[in-house]
Amino acid sequence: AQSVTQPDIHITVSEGASLELRCNYSYGATPYLFWYVQSPGQGLQLLLKYFSGDTLVQGIKGFEAEFKRSQSSFNLRKPSVHWSDAAEYFCAVAGRGAGGTSYGKLTFGQGTILTVHP
Amino acid sequence: EAQVTQNPRYLITVTGKKLTVTCSQNMNHEYMSWYRQDPGLGLRQIYYSMNVEVTDKGDVPEGYKVSRKEKRNFPLILESPSPNQTSLYFCAVGVAGPYEQYFGPGTRLTVT
Repeated sequence: AQSVTQPDIHITVSEGASLELRCNYSYGATPYLFWYVQSPGQGLQLLLKYFSGDTLVQGIKGFEAEFKRSQSSFNLRKPSVHWSDAAEYFCAVAGRGAGGTSYGKLTFGQGTILTVHP
Repeated sequence: EAQVTQNPRYLITVTGKKLTVTCSQNMNHEYMSWYRQDPGLGLRQIYYSMNVEVTDKGDVPEGYKVSRKEKRNFPLILESPSPNQTSLYFCAVGVAGPYEQYFGPGTRLTVT
C-alpha cells in the first residue's frame, strides 16, 4: 500500500526567507509524486508533479521539488517566501500500474500549514 | 479552463436521511474522484472512476456509494449518513488522466 508522511504539521517563516517542506513516501517502486496547495477556504491547486526524468522539478509560483529515491523523499522548496504563500501544503503519491499508467488511487499526506511573518 | 461544479456547497442534515452530493464537469475528462478532508488527516480518497461505468474504492469507501452513468457527472451518495461523515468533501477531475487532478470548490457537510 502507498502512503505519505509530512513530518511538519506547522511551519512558520519570515517573509523573504527560504522554505523547505518535507515529504516522505512509501511505495514499492517509483511513484508519481505531487504537491498541492490549499489557500484558506479554497480548493486545492496543483503546484508541481514528478513522473520521471530530471529529479528536480519546477512548478508554479516559484516552487520546486526534488525527488530523492534513496531517501524516499520529495521535498518542496522556495528560495524566498512571500506573504501570499501562507496556506496549507499537501504532498501526494499515485501508484504506477503496468505500462506506466496509474492505478488511479491518489494518497495525500496530512498537510503542512505554512505561516508567513511580515 | 476546467470547471468542476459541486452542489450543494453547504448541507446540514440529520442521521439516516439519504443525501446526494452532485459533481459535474464542463469537459470530457474520463477520470473523476471524491475525497473527504478532515483536520489533521489531510485528504482521503473515497471513490474514483476511470471512465463511465468504471468505479473503484479509494481508502475510505465505507458508508458511501457512487455512480458514473455519464462522463460529465459523478454523484456521491450517502444512503444513511452518520455524524462521523461530517466533513469537507471535494470532487476532482483528472485533466491529464489521473495524474493532474483539478479540484472543485468543496461541499461542507454536517450530520447531526
